[in-house]
Amino acid sequence: DIVMTQSPDSLAVSLGERATINCKSSKSVLLYSNNKNCLAWYQQKPGQPPKLLIYWASIRESGVPDRFRGSGSGTDFTLTISSLQAEDVAVYYCQQYHSSPTFGQGTKVEI
Amino acid sequence: QVQLQESGPGLVKPSQTLSLTCTVSGASIGSSDFHWTWIRQPAGKGLEWIGRVHTTGNSYYNPSLQSRVTMSVDPSKNQFSLNLRSVTAADTAIYYCARDEGLAVPRWFERWGQGTLVIVSS
Repeated sequence: DIVMTQSPDSLAVSLGERATINCKSSKSVLLYSNNKNCLAWYQQKPGQPPKLLIYWASIRESGVPDRFRGSGSGTDFTLTISSLQAEDVAVYYCQQYHSSPTFGQGTKVEI
Repeated sequence: QVQLQESGPGLVKPSQTLSLTCTVSGASIGSSDFHWTWIRQPAGKGLEWIGRVHTTGNSYYNPSLQSRVTMSVDPSKNQFSLNLRSVTAADTAIYYCARDEGLAVPRWFERWGQGTLVIVSS
């Protein structure tokens, strides 16, 4: 299994400030056949299922605000929320799909 | 718009079989190239992919659960199911069904059910 490790476990950010979440995979998730990284990001609010934000490491899902940005390659990835809004309070998960899917442990974002 | 809804017993006794069904609306499972997935989340913890199944019957399970899991599809009811055998308290979790956006191999999960809590207890 590819182990996904997120950091930090939690962070508090002021409204309008930047939030940065890191995700590290135990093996490269770069798919050589298309030169894309098999990495997705999700947002989960209490009592709700996860919501897909980003796939292929940097492609925003339709309808996701552009303040959410995914970056990185190989084993190191970042989700950046450029200007935190109150509705962004949630737990964020990364997921690799290079092999049998696995998720990070989650990062809780608070105001 | 594709919607998914889990159903099944909320309480299962240890050593028994956990059986859940996911009903899909807004799309026909039988005519879809997508795979259908189960994911679980123990209370207050992270997400664990259980496996995926296609209408053809092709399935692919998490190696750590493979010996206890069976998934199937019923196109006539537009449903797919999860059976998890020999459950223990460690299987207590919210179980989600979802659509896997991958065709040949697993990818990301765009559509999710709301989840159903299953408690394993005597």
